[in-house]
Amino acid sequence: GAGVSQSPSNKVTEKGKDVELRCDPISGHTALYWYRQSLGQGLEFLIYFQGNSAPDKSGLPSDRFSAERTGGSVSTLTIQRTQQEDSAVYLCASSTGQGAFEQFFGPGTRLTVL
Amino acid sequence: GQQLNQSPQSMFIQEGEDVSMNCTSSSIFNTWLWYKQDPGEGPVLLIALYKAGELTSNGRLTAQFGITRKDSFLNISASIPSDVGIYFCAGQNYGGSQGNLIFGKGTKLSVKP
Repeated sequence: GAGVSQSPSNKVTEKGKDVELRCDPISGHTALYWYRQSLGQGLEFLIYFQGNSAPDKSGLPSDRFSAERTGGSVSTLTIQRTQQEDSAVYLCASSTGQGAFEQFFGPGTRLTVL
Repeated sequence: GQQLNQSPQSMFIQEGEDVSMNCTSSSIFNTWLWYKQDPGEGPVLLIALYKAGELTSNGRLTAQFGITRKDSFLNISASIPSDVGIYFCAGQNYGGSQGNLIFGKGTKLSVKP
């Protein structure tokens, strides 16, 4: 079946502009995660959605970052007033949320802030 | 916050060699996972470990969940060219439910020139 998909695959923006990144999780997966991967680094947790529960936003680096998940499926990560340090690959993952810890990742969106 | 130390940072392999990498943590995890990431792609799960002391194999890959719950290793036997990539360990915080994973910074495998 289809895996996690993300769009766009690449995004170049100017400093100060807002960007929206989209994630389509695997159908039926109730848990959705956003991570950020800077060059040569591991993955940094940003936010986690589980079903209808309030999201865990503990990893968001500043109030310029927000995310929502509509209808328990598609998620959008929004970065307002982008800064150059926001440049990274943003990865989305989903899992079944039924006692399983395997997270399945999308290909990521590479964000470059000029 | 909780951190994972993954080593080595990089290594060069020759086809047929065995490879070993490990992760250590300052605190306990109740789940360890190993992922591989190829350029331009998201990480792909290789092995998941759920019990202290557990030893699990997936083809030429073998991973163990340390008895103290603070470490894990991954071995690759008889490496082949397609093994190159970046390998990440990841742990889930003890007592968490379905929360985020904590990732190591990765071990980059390259082919010896």
